[in-house]
Order: sequence, then C-alpha cells, then structure tokens
Amino acid sequence: QQPVQSPQAVILREGEDAVINCSSSKALYSVHWYRQKHGEAPVFLMILLKGGEQKGHEKISASFNEKKQQSSLYLTASQLSYSGTYFCGTEGRGSTLGRLYFGRGTQLTVWP
Amino acid sequence: GAVVSQHPSRVICKSGTSVKIECRSLDFQATTMFWYRQFPKQSLMLMATSNEGSKATYEQGVEKDKFLINHASLTLSTLTVTSAHPEDSSFYICSARDGLGLAGVDTQYFGPGTRLTVL
Repeated sequence: QQPVQSPQAVILREGEDAVINCSSSKALYSVHWYRQKHGEAPVFLMILLKGGEQKGHEKISASFNEKKQQSSLYLTASQLSYSGTYFCGTEGRGSTLGRLYFGRGTQLTVWP
Repeated sequence: GAVVSQHPSRVICKSGTSVKIECRSLDFQATTMFWYRQFPKQSLMLMATSNEGSKATYEQGVEKDKFLINHASLTLSTLTVTSAHPEDSSFYICSARDGLGLAGVDTQYFGPGTRLTVL
C-alpha cells in the first residue's frame, strides 16, 4: 500500500528548484502532499485528484499521472522555509477509499 | 484553516500501564479520524480508521485489543494504548477528515502528535 518516494534527500541553495516524485503500485483516486518539520505535525500542502484537478498551495505545484500512478511535487525558487520532510499520501480506490498511505518521505534542506 | 488538537503532547508511563490520547477537531466536524504511528525519521504508518458511532477499522498487523479506539462524538476520537511496553514508545499522530475542506474536497488535517515513552 505504501507509495515509493524519490529522492530520499535533496539539498538546495535558496532560489533553486526541486522535484519530488511519488509512485504507487495501486490504482489511485487521489494524492495528498504534506510537509513536516522536525517534531511537528505534517502540514497539508496539496491534493491532486483524478482528472487533473489540484487544490492547495499557491507557490508549489504538482502533477498527477493516473495511468502511471505517479505524482510529482515541484518546488520552484525554494525558500529557507521550504526545508522539512515531504510526504506523499496516496488514496486508493475501492475498500481503502478515504485512507492515506504515506511514502518514507523526502528530506529537503535549503541553505542560504 | 482547520485545526486539530491532541492531548497530551508528551507522556511518560511505566510498563504495564494504559495511556489515553485524545484527538479533537476544533473548528469542524469529523465523522472520520485516523491514527498514525511514526518512528524517528520514518514514515507515517496508518494504524486505524476511527469512525464516529461505529467500530474502528484496523490496518493489518495492528492489535485492536492493544490499541483501543473510541470515536464518541463528531469532534473527538481517543486512542488508548493498553498494557504499554517499551516497544510501544513512538510518536502517535491523529488526523481528521474535513469533508468540506478546500471547496468540498476531503482533506485530512493532522494534530500536533503525542510523544509516548514507556519505561
């Protein structure tokens, strides 16, 4: 059930771009992205729904390829505040609809 | 935005005792809440789905007699770790589903988590 995220870690300079990928072996209904800072709760960033609709953060974009069961999160012109661990949560269809299963996370570090 | 609280934020208990963790949705009603467990630098592992007014649904491998879940109202779910052992020490996080979040799309919002240490 658990999706696979890549890369495991990214180190950036302020202003640089990053892409985080998430793939699942199951058919997906939606993909949810969260950012978690150390010792804190995950913070909601984005939902991607089948059909391409996305709702969430203004400065972060994402894509969802339903056929390939993949999603990517695009962080452009990164800021120091973007540092944290990014998790994708996938929602499958059928009996698991409504439940999110999370990847192992991508640790993003932005340096000044 | 939607706010979810958890109490306590930290708890230390002796082996063999039980610990109750509360999860509340403060500004919305949540018919469904979820309980996760997170080990250091690891992913969020879904333990169970808490449904208001009915039994919780547990994920494979999670002992329902050890992790008791009660969802007594539309804003409160509790997780009780019974007969706690040191291996139960972990970060427990709840989330609540807001069916009216983001223009009608189901959105899960997380609580701040509870750090459980069993001695």
